[in-house]
Amino acid sequence: DAKTTQPNSMESNEEEPVHLPCNHSTISGTDYIHWYRQLPSQGPEYVIHGLTSNVNNRMASLAIAEDRKSSTLILHRATLRDAAVYYCILSRQGAQKLVFGQGTRLTINP
Amino acid sequence: IAGITQAPTSQILAAGRRMTLRCTQDMRHNAMYWYRQDLGLGLRLIHYSNTAGTTGKGEVPDGYSVSRANTDDFPLTLASAVPSQTSVYFCASSRDPTSGPEAFFGQGTRLTVV
Repeated sequence: DAKTTQPNSMESNEEEPVHLPCNHSTISGTDYIHWYRQLPSQGPEYVIHGLTSNVNNRMASLAIAEDRKSSTLILHRATLRDAAVYYCILSRQGAQKLVFGQGTRLTINP
Repeated sequence: IAGITQAPTSQILAAGRRMTLRCTQDMRHNAMYWYRQDLGLGLRLIHYSNTAGTTGKGEVPDGYSVSRANTDDFPLTLASAVPSQTSVYFCASSRDPTSGPEAFFGQGTRLTVV
């Protein structure tokens, strides 16, 4: 599985946008980019995924670099409930598993 | 909508005892998974099942067994628990391992083996 690199931790303020980076320089053409998050004492929760184009949903936006070697998860207006560990994961279509790294621990200040 | 239900929520187990962690989903998903999460190691896949009647080994299968008799249930059994199996266990499901990537996770079972 291709590897992702994320900062260990980030901090932001409530009601401000948050940009969570992920590097995946060894990504292959068939790898999807997934983001999950894990709130304290809960299981991981799907956030968003994409292949080549930028994606938006009700939770977040995913901006994918043109060469696909990096991506950014964007929370447009962070709330205290967005404090969590965010995981960037690569997975091929049809892959049987998600391989979780260490993720980025996001702290939101009131 | 319940989604994924895991039981028990937590358990303290004596080493050498047998234990089955239960997982049930009501979304009619074909694929189900068991992960364990340890501090500093992230989530690691133990076993998976792409459809009822089939199972496969993940990254850390030793000491664990699973069965998939029907679509809804995917129990994880520790035949003879050891302290290194102390962990938080998460069950997950997805509609189909070859289509959309969205996986749904349960709330976890915190297991302590003493």
